[in-house]
Amino acid sequence: QKEVEQDPGPLSVPEGAIVSLNCTYSNSAFQYFMWYRQYSRKGPELLMYTYSSGNKEDGRFTAQVDKSSKYISLFIRDSQPSDSATYLCAMSPTGNQFYFGTGTSLTVIP
Amino acid sequence: GAVVSQHPSRVICKSGTSVKIECRSLDFQATTMFWYRQFPKQSLMLMATSNEGSKATYEQGVEKDKFLINHASLTLSTLTVTSAHPEDSSFYICSASSGGRGETQYFGPGTRLLVL
Repeated sequence: QKEVEQDPGPLSVPEGAIVSLNCTYSNSAFQYFMWYRQYSRKGPELLMYTYSSGNKEDGRFTAQVDKSSKYISLFIRDSQPSDSATYLCAMSPTGNQFYFGTGTSLTVIP
Repeated sequence: GAVVSQHPSRVICKSGTSVKIECRSLDFQATTMFWYRQFPKQSLMLMATSNEGSKATYEQGVEKDKFLINHASLTLSTLTVTSAHPEDSSFYICSASSGGRGETQYFGPGTRLLVL
């Protein structure tokens, strides 16, 4: 079993839709949770960073962590064509060792 | 936010030559740097983790004599692909962390290597 599971998609939504991206994990020691956005042929860009459980909001983006279910989510409201990218979840037990999901490819159709 | 640069962004070389890729943290001190490889439409594959002033820790299956990593300062790490072959063609991405508890990684823009 992989440490982190992420549906690779592809996911295609119309502009303005709410997008939900998810990852599950098996290691209960994970405490730090991140979402990265990667455009084609570019390095990943940190979007959201959360410690432990709870929600975090930044503009159109909301990250949720449910440690009891070992499940994290990223919500994108009012999705835009510029949101089309691959979204990677990542997590860490200590902040020194990181585990990545395989990434979900998202296309927002104008 | 923290900025990480990589140079070159793209390199084409002949088979058998060596290629050096630089990774720099521009506005913070990176005690730990990571090197990844990414094939088209696939996720990141961690190659090695390097801490400033010490030898890199390589992931299983990654040849340390093939992929030489040097982390000589808190702002610079280099990856040298020695005697490159066409199968080494890939997208190489570095990331850097200040290493504090809970600190996340910040990625460079990547280097696309094509070996002919």
